[in-house]
Amino acid sequence: DAGVTQSPTHLIKTRGQQVTLRCSPKSGHDTVSWYQQALGQGPQFIFQYYEEEERQRGNFPDRFSGHQFPNYSSELNVNALLLGDSALYLCASSLVPWAVARGNTIYFGEGSWLTVV
Amino acid sequence: DAKTTQPPSMDCAEGRAANLPCNHSTISGNEYVYWYRQIHSQGPQYIIHGLKNNETNEMASLIITEDRKSSTLILPHATLRDTAVYYCIVRDNNAGNMLTFGGGTRLMVKP
Repeated sequence: DAGVTQSPTHLIKTRGQQVTLRCSPKSGHDTVSWYQQALGQGPQFIFQYYEEEERQRGNFPDRFSGHQFPNYSSELNVNALLLGDSALYLCASSLVPWAVARGNTIYFGEGSWLTVV
Repeated sequence: DAKTTQPPSMDCAEGRAANLPCNHSTISGNEYVYWYRQIHSQGPQYIIHGLKNNETNEMASLIITEDRKSSTLILPHATLRDTAVYYCIVRDNNAGNMLTFGGGTRLMVKP
């Protein structure tokens, strides 16, 4: 049973460029969330996708956008990259958008390390 | 705002039990307590969660006080591979599926 998979694992971009990160949820899961984790800090929620729509959003600017495909996989796009966007980007999947309320589990991938220079 | 309070760091001898405390004094009746850990440079790993009863799985035990204002994660026989940051998380009622991570406890298991 494949867990949450993310690609690429590492990448380097230049300020002002755009980046796309990809995530495949755990088998059987239909809800995907994205988190940003700066060095030395805990993960911060970016947004959540369910049924191909953004359902929740954290305190992140519109430069951060996403997409969910019919097979439940997801992309995170960041435009006009800033040095401060350098972080580990984590994808998490769950069975339903309200998994936590029902005491279900959210699983994380290993993340994509983004360095902006 | 963080809803949990954890000590920033703890040490534990290899082979001994590691007891990681968490305070969540404002927890409401339908909020679950989740524990995750993050080994350096890896994604957070789910450990265990509970509502009001004590829980045990192959990784750890979760002890929740009767008033639910605090809990303890117990790793019964800590190994060097258990060295990690441990996060205690209480679901935010207004945040759906979002997990709000605080600072966590950095557990160092020493030989």
